[in-house]
Amino acid sequence: ILNVEQSPQSLHVQEGDSTNFTCSFPSSNFYALHWYRWETAKSPEALFVMTLNGDEKKKGRISATLNTKEGYSYLYIKGSQPEDSATYLCAFSRGSNYKLTFGKGTLLTVNP
Amino acid sequence: ETGVTQTPRHLVMGMTNKKSLKCEQHLGHNAMYWYKQSAKKPLELMFVYSLEERVENNSVPSRFSPECPNSSHLFLHLHTLQPEDSALYLCASSHGRRDSVTQYFGPGTRLLVL
Repeated sequence: ILNVEQSPQSLHVQEGDSTNFTCSFPSSNFYALHWYRWETAKSPEALFVMTLNGDEKKKGRISATLNTKEGYSYLYIKGSQPEDSATYLCAFSRGSNYKLTFGKGTLLTVNP
Repeated sequence: ETGVTQTPRHLVMGMTNKKSLKCEQHLGHNAMYWYKQSAKKPLELMFVYSLEERVENNSVPSRFSPECPNSSHLFLHLHTLQPEDSALYLCASSHGRRDSVTQYFGPGTRLLVL
C-alpha cells in the first residue's frame, strides 16, 4: 500500500499572505509527482508534473519543489488571493502505467 | 473547462435501480479513467481504458461495470449498488500511457444511493 500524506489538512490565511504545504510520498521507485488544484463543484485542474529530484516548477504565484530522495514536495503560494481558495491535491506514481496514488488534499481558504 | 464532461452531475438511485454515468472527452486523448472519491478519503482509481481496452481494474466490485465504446466516451454502468457506494465519481483522460502525463478531469457525478 502506497501512502501519500498531505499536511496540513486545512489552512486559513489572509489575503496577501504567502503560504506553503507539504506532500510526503514513498521515496523508493519514484517516477512522478503531480499537483492539482480543485475548486468546489469544478474539475481538478493540473498545476505541475515533476519527475526529477530537485525539480522546481512555477506558474504565476504558485511554485513547487521536489525532493525524491527524502520523499516530499512543497507547494508555495505567494501573496494568496481569495480565488486561490481550493483543495490542493498531490498524486504520486511509481511508474506502473496509469496508476496515480492521491493524497487527501490540503483545503486552503483565503480570507479577504 | 478541461474538455472533459460528465453527465449527470447529480444522481439519486435506489439499491435496485440500474443507471449509467457518462463521460466524454474532447481532447483527442487515448486513455480514460474512472475514479471514486468517498467522504474524507483520497481519490481512488477504479478503471483505466487505453485505446478502448481495459488495462486496469482496481479490485472494483462487479456491481460497477465500465464500458468504453470509443476513445472519446466512457460509461460506468451501475446496478444493485449499496449505500456505501455513495460518492463523487470522477472521469479523467490523458494522452499516452506513462503516468508522468497530465490527467484531465471532469467535474464529477455526485451519487447518492438510498
